[in-house]
Amino acid sequence: QKEVEQDPGPLSVPEGAIVSLNCTYSNSAFQYFMWYRQYSRKGPELLMYTYSSGNKEDGRFTAQVDKSSKYISLFIRDSQPSDSATYLCAMSSYNTDKLIFGTGTRLQVFP
Amino acid sequence: EAGVTQFPSHSVIEKGQTVTLRCDPISGHDNLYWYRRVMGKEIKFLLHFVKESKQDESGMPNNRFLAERTGGTYSTLKVQPAELEDSGVYFCASSQGQRNSGANVLTFGAGSRLTVL
Repeated sequence: QKEVEQDPGPLSVPEGAIVSLNCTYSNSAFQYFMWYRQYSRKGPELLMYTYSSGNKEDGRFTAQVDKSSKYISLFIRDSQPSDSATYLCAMSSYNTDKLIFGTGTRLQVFP
Repeated sequence: EAGVTQFPSHSVIEKGQTVTLRCDPISGHDNLYWYRRVMGKEIKFLLHFVKESKQDESGMPNNRFLAERTGGTYSTLKVQPAELEDSGVYFCASSQGQRNSGANVLTFGAGSRLTVL
């Protein structure tokens, strides 16, 4: 069983839709939860990170962590065609720098 | 500020040949990481340098892979001899020194795509 599970998609939504991206994980030692965005032929770019449980909002993006369910989410409001990319969740424990990634969800926002 | 630079962007070699990938981290970043994404799989950790020292190389697949970071600046990852299963995208990332608190924020390069025929 993978430590981090993420639906690869693709997910196709119309412009303006609310997008929900999710990951589940099995390692209860994970403390840091990150969302990366990756455009084609580019490297992953950090969007947001959350420590432990709770919500974090940054503009149109909201990250949620539910440690009791081992479930994290990224919401994108008012999605734009420029949001079309692959979204990767990543996690790490407190005492290590090693990131464990999900496989990524490919998102396409059409005009 | 220049980002993390990787070279080459794409390399096509035959099985049994040698390839060397290079990474130039962000200036002043002590931490340098190599990750790899094999087709259809998740990005996986290979190793971590702190300056010139290997902090964690638990993700290196086997002894055909050799990573170096002489002088604590740029790093090279050599694959010798290359096998078909080594094909994938090799990402380098860097981050500053000790984190005061919070997550270790990595900046990734665009990756070096390796194709072994």
